[in-house]
Amino acid sequence: DIQMTQSPPSLSASVGDRVTITCQASQDISDYLNWYQQKPGKPPKLLIYDASNWETGVPSRFSGSGSGTDFTFTISSLQPEDVATYYCQQYDHLPLTFGGGTKVEIK
Amino acid sequence: EVHLVESGGGLVQPGKSLRLSCVTSGFTLENYAMHWVRQAPGKGLEWVSGISWNGGTTGYADSVKGRFLISRDNAKNIVHLQMNSLGPEDTAFYYCGKGRQLGMGFADFWGQGILVIVSS
Repeated sequence: DIQMTQSPPSLSASVGDRVTITCQASQDISDYLNWYQQKPGKPPKLLIYDASNWETGVPSRFSGSGSGTDFTFTISSLQPEDVATYYCQQYDHLPLTFGGGTKVEIK
Repeated sequence: EVHLVESGGGLVQPGKSLRLSCVTSGFTLENYAMHWVRQAPGKGLEWVSGISWNGGTTGYADSVKGRFLISRDNAKNIVHLQMNSLGPEDTAFYYCGKGRQLGMGFADFWGQGILVIVSS
């Protein structure tokens, strides 16, 4: 199975800050990577697919990059409504696998 | 508008079985793969299973392989997850997800989830 190592596990930043989350795959997954946002008590919401493509309706302050084994998710200017846990997921090989998640809070 | 409604959860004893259902609406089910993920209380997401548009391809997490079975009935707009030999480690919220395409791929929309508690 492909292991997805996501870091940091949590972070605290101020409104307006740039926030970066990384995800590393245990083997080459090309660009078959998603980023989901999950708020407490809610289902996951797809933000980015194919490593760097915005899902419809997703604000442009969210972005993704990378290919192969190393990926980055960025919030260019953190907003209060961005408080959530963010997960990467690879879909290159079955079983699909998630990273451990990054909990983002406001300082 | 896409709607996914999970049902069939609840409290079940260890070793017993449970069948989750996901009723879909707002899209043509036969055009999309479907997925299940779960989340134990306070833990991260775990992909559980997926099924291609016609059921020809299925996949399972190692933790459920041989115990869980995913199926679909496109005519009835429903997807099932049969869960056998349940253990406490299967306690979680289970979410049904709509695939982006015919093949397995990934899910682009999730239902609100259903809680399964495995306990004596």
